Formats: sequence, structure tokens, C-alpha cells
Amino acid sequence: DAGVTQSPTHLIKTRGQQVTLRCSPKSGHDTVSWYQQALGQGPQFIFQYYEEEERQRGNFPDRFSGHQFPNYSSELNVNALLLGDSALYLCASSPDRVRYNEQFFGPGTRLTVL
Amino acid sequence: QQQVKQSPQSLIVQKGGISIINCAYENTAFDYFPWYQQFPGKGPALLIAIRPDVSEKKEGRFTISFNKSAKQFSLHIMDSQPGDSATYFCAAVNRGSTLGRLYFGRGTQLTVWP
Repeated sequence: DAGVTQSPTHLIKTRGQQVTLRCSPKSGHDTVSWYQQALGQGPQFIFQYYEEEERQRGNFPDRFSGHQFPNYSSELNVNALLLGDSALYLCASSPDRVRYNEQFFGPGTRLTVL
Repeated sequence: QQQVKQSPQSLIVQKGGISIINCAYENTAFDYFPWYQQFPGKGPALLIAIRPDVSEKKEGRFTISFNKSAKQFSLHIMDSQPGDSATYFCAAVNRGSTLGRLYFGRGTQLTVWP
């Protein structure tokens, strides 16, 4: 079992650009959540996807959007990048959204905005 | 608004000593309190968790103490080892309404020196 995988590992962009990050959930998991972890901070919830729809959203602007595919993998898109978007972006997956289950985190994508 | 407050920000403990990390919350709707351990370059991994109807939970060298009336909980690491050096996050979740959205503390960087 490969666990949660994310790509790319690292990414460098400039202000104003757009970025797409990818996540493959743990086998058997159908719910994917994205978190932003700024340096020296705890992860902050961005949004959660289930059945290819955004089900919950944290306090992030519309520049942050996502998608979930039929195979449960997910993408996080960020438009009009700002310096403050530099962070580690974590994907977490869990099974069975009907009830709470432990979330498994991937290693993250380190985004640097110059 | 930080829903979960964590202290200290950093902690240095001698090998064999006890490491103690404290967290506090305000939202009484939280009904599950996990602790995560994060090593550099890795995503957070669940370490131990507790429900508010339990005052203490122990797993090996790790113990959570929970004070529901004070809305505080803490992680104790007994016989701390250099391999425990990592960043620790407390978190809280309302399993019923938010279905897995985790609210994290800011983290504690623990260093255990030989």
C-alpha cells in the first residue's frame, strides 16, 4: 500500500502565476482534504472533496480551487499566486465520509512563490 | 482565530526526561482530540487521540491527559528519546458536523538531546 502520494515534491513559481498540485489517496479512501502549512505553523484546512464535489471549505479565497476525479485522486489549483502562498501543501485522505475516520497525510508539496 | 492554542513553541529535553506539551480549546463542540507527529520532509502522522469522556489515555510512552472542564489537554512523553525529536501538533475535530476537518495548534518543536 503506497499510502497518500503527492506530486510534485517541490515547486517554485513567481507571483501571478498559477499552480496545480496533485494527490492520490490511500487505497480504499474516497475523501480527500487539502491543508496549507505555512512555515512554523500548524496545517490550515483549505477544503474537502467527496464524490467529486467540494463538501467543506475553510477560510481561503476563491483563488484556491480543486477537483476530484472518479478514481478519487484530487488536484489543488491556486491562481494569481502571492508571496504569502508559499507553504507546504498537504493532502489527507480518509475512508467513508459518512462517519469520522482517521485521516492519513501525504508528504506534501513545498511551494515557493518568488 | 486560532481555535486550538498550543504551547510551548519549542521544547528541549534531555534523553530519559519527560516532555510535556499543552493545548487549550474554546469550542465545546469538539469531540475528538488527536495528536500528530511530524518529521522533516514528512506529513503529519497520527500519534494518539482521545475523546472528551476519557480523562487519560496511554499508549506506550505517550499519554494524553484531558481536562474537559478547563478545556485543556496535554501530551506527556515519558523517557524521551532522540528519535522523538520532531514537531508535535495537537488538533481538535467535531466528528458530527465537520466530518474530519481538523483544527491544528501551531505546533511544538521537540528536541531530545543525548
